[in-house]
Amino acid sequence: AQSVTQPDIHITVSEGASLELRCNYSYGATPYLFWYVQSPGQGLQLLLKYFSGDTLVQGIKGFEAEFKRSQSSFNLRKPSVHWSDAAEYFCAVGPGNQAGTALIFGKGTTLSVSS
Amino acid sequence: EAGVVQSPRYKIIEKKQPVAFWCNPISGHNTLYWYLQNLGQGPELLIRYENEEAVDDSQLPKDRFSAERLKGVDSTLKIQPAELGDSAVYLCASSSDRETDTQYFGPGTRLTVL
Repeated sequence: AQSVTQPDIHITVSEGASLELRCNYSYGATPYLFWYVQSPGQGLQLLLKYFSGDTLVQGIKGFEAEFKRSQSSFNLRKPSVHWSDAAEYFCAVGPGNQAGTALIFGKGTTLSVSS
Repeated sequence: EAGVVQSPRYKIIEKKQPVAFWCNPISGHNTLYWYLQNLGQGPELLIRYENEEAVDDSQLPKDRFSAERLKGVDSTLKIQPAELGDSAVYLCASSSDRETDTQYFGPGTRLTVL
């Protein structure tokens, strides 16, 4: 079955430190991969997406993610975290060969930033 | 460009009462999604529309939930009657990219059923 696993429920990072949020997926075909961020009381904002090509993708707010097919992973990274990055982060997968279908989301990772 | 608009943002009702949520997608987006997000979980699809046609409603509890998308633009999601377990955030999303299916989300409606 198709699934997305985000192993870390909650991560705390010091402001200015680097960040890596993990995402593993299970999918039968080549997936489309997404990272969304959700601030309290807000909807989901798209950070970045991977469809094909370069496996290192750049997103907004200084985030990047790397697709590793051999590890079925799509980890999100940021070199220096800001206090405003505190939020919940969701990894999602969509079927690459079926446009217009629903995304499958992980359960999310809550990021706290300490000063 | 305006994003996905949802209303109301918050709704508190008594159990067994009806409730309705409204969504206006991004202009020109032909695909519209309703997702349910329980506390501490990722969103899960309830229903997907292509224009005015519901093409995936397999996860919609049809005994109490209904949805419509008249004229292929705005959409309404209804619950009647509401149960305590329906307390959650209801998210609307839209997309227009048939190849890459990039979905843009509204702020959601937080429903509390007492």
